[in-house]
Parts: sequence; C-alpha cells; structure tokens
Amino acid sequence: EVQLVESGGGLVQPGRSLRLSCAASGFTFEDYAMHWVRQAPGKGLEWVSGISSNSGYIGYVDSVKGRFTISRDNAKRSLYLQMNSLRAEDMALYYCARGGIYRGYDSSHFDYWGQGALVTVSS
Amino acid sequence: DIQMTQSPSSLSASVGDRVTITCRASQSITGYLNWYQQKLGKAPKLVIYAASRLHSGVPSRFSGSGSGTDFTLTISSLQPEDFATYFCQQSYSTPYTFGQGTKLEIK
Repeated sequence: EVQLVESGGGLVQPGRSLRLSCAASGFTFEDYAMHWVRQAPGKGLEWVSGISSNSGYIGYVDSVKGRFTISRDNAKRSLYLQMNSLRAEDMALYYCARGGIYRGYDSSHFDYWGQGALVTVSS
Repeated sequence: DIQMTQSPSSLSASVGDRVTITCRASQSITGYLNWYQQKLGKAPKLVIYAASRLHSGVPSRFSGSGSGTDFTLTISSLQPEDFATYFCQQSYSTPYTFGQGTKLEIK
C-alpha cells in the first residue's frame, strides 16, 4: 500500500523558515517524481513544486521561487521542502503527492497523496 | 500560466442522477488533464488521468473525455459517497494548475 506521511508543519512567524518532510513507503520511491501541493484554508489546490525521480528536473510555482527548495533522498525514501522567508500567503495545508506514470513516462498527475502538514504563518 | 476554469462551481443532484462537470483550459493541453475528488477534511484522490483513464480502484461510473481545451467528467449514476468537491488539473506544462473546484451537493 502506498503511504505518504508529511511532518514538520507548525506555527512560524513571517520571515522565518520551516522544513517539511514526507516519508514514503509501499512503492519504489526512486522510480517516481514527487510533488508538493498546497491548499489554503477554504481554498483550492495549488501546485508548489516538483522533483523528478533522480532530482535532474526541479520546478516551482513563481510565487515561491527563490524562497522554497525541494529535495529528495532516495536512500531514505524521503521528500523535503525547505521554506524560507515565509509569508502570510504561504499559510496552507501542504500535501506531498506522488507523480503518476503513464505510458512509461512521468505524466505529472498526482496519483497518491499524504494527509498534509499544516503551515501557519503568523506573528 | 495555463488557466483552468470549471463549471459549474456548485451542483445539486440526487442519488442515481447522471452529472457532468466541465473544465476548460486557456490553451490547448492536448490530453494532459486529470480529475480529483476531495471530501471535507481529507486529501484529494485521483479519479481520472490523461483525460479518460480511470485510476486504479475508481468505480466505472466515473468517466472522462475531451482533448485540446475542453474536458468533461461524468458520473453516470450518483452514489452517496460521490458527493464531494471535484478539481481538474492540467499536467501539460509547469506550473501545473488546477480548476477552482466544483462542489457536488445532495439535492
């Protein structure tokens, strides 16, 4: 069974940093791209960042470029999101999601999701 | 960025009804369109990927169609567990973007 478990969320002041982690199990982690998707309270979904299986490709939404860094450790079956210079608008539930594969290629649909890590940005 | 627009934003229907939700992209995304179901307080779940492919374990009453800019998600006979919010998402190019959601409610 595919499982994704996020951790590291919490309350942080504007301008400070936080690091999210996602522990994966139930599948061959190194074969899949991984993503972070967030959802502000009562709002829709926003893709934040993605990383290919070998970390060769990394992408971000413009609003977090230069502040957030995605990384992964395939040996530890873990995905990370380092979030610096946090703003009020970054407050959201952050989901870790696996990138799906279609016809042998990463097709960037999100086929399994964790339960999310809540990030609250407030003074 | 590619804008995704869903309609309607909300929909009231009864158990057994056939319902259709539409998603329109601001430019062609060929077949790179996915649908998710989200229930209150839960993580989203993949329903359809690549416009028409049913994700593993999803009931066959769900179907998807479309290509280019216009896509639909159809539920052939609504069941009580289908009442939720549905989001479309394009995976054609980054940043991957979602529609605003369609809330499917019980009439």
